Amino acid sequence: DQQVKQNSPSLSVQEGRISILNCDYTNSMFDYFLWYKKYPAEGPTFLISISSIKDKNEDGRFTVFLNKSAKHLSLHIVPSQPGDSAVYFCAARRMQGGSEKLVFGKGTKLTVNP
Amino acid sequence: GAVVSQHPSRVICKSGTSVKIECRSLDFQATTMFWYRQFPKKSLMLMATSNEGSKATYEQGVEKDKFLINHASLTLSTLTVTSAHPEDSSFYICSARASGRAWEQYFGPGTRLTVT
Repeated sequence: DQQVKQNSPSLSVQEGRISILNCDYTNSMFDYFLWYKKYPAEGPTFLISISSIKDKNEDGRFTVFLNKSAKHLSLHIVPSQPGDSAVYFCAARRMQGGSEKLVFGKGTKLTVNP
Repeated sequence: GAVVSQHPSRVICKSGTSVKIECRSLDFQATTMFWYRQFPKKSLMLMATSNEGSKATYEQGVEKDKFLINHASLTLSTLTVTSAHPEDSSFYICSARASGRAWEQYFGPGTRLTVT
């Protein structure tokens, strides 16, 4: 039962253009959604989050949009830079038994071409 | 800051042997550490949550007698895969949290385990 889905395993964009990474979820109990970035041989690093009561959160070049009715969120990177090339994981938080748990998607590999 | 290391980065072992993986928070004290597993083309899956000085809480379907977790200090947690089998071959990754929200976890670089 995959509760967080990233259906695109890879995405390739040109430097300077917009990168849009998508994520769908099935569990209505998630209250926060997050994006992590992972470079090879390193652990994922937190990028940006959004509360389930918001529909947009922006941080510099990164914006996350949440469509709660569609159970869909997306990460926009504008403008894309070659250094953004990495695997991006979508994650969702839920509370269970008094503790917080993160549920991850499979990741999308973004390649930004110079 | 907030660096988490894992050792070893890669390990190959024979079926039936045990393997220990270490997770250290280098510049902060981690009250909670998490262990994840990722199979090829699959999501990161939480295996267990450990709080310093107490027993780990395992996710459903994860055998606690097979995956022994020890969090004896605020900077070190270990995962021991006992009597490893080829199906245990996977990428194991830990994360550490000092306090605060779930996403304020700092991940280690992971350990690739291959059981032959």
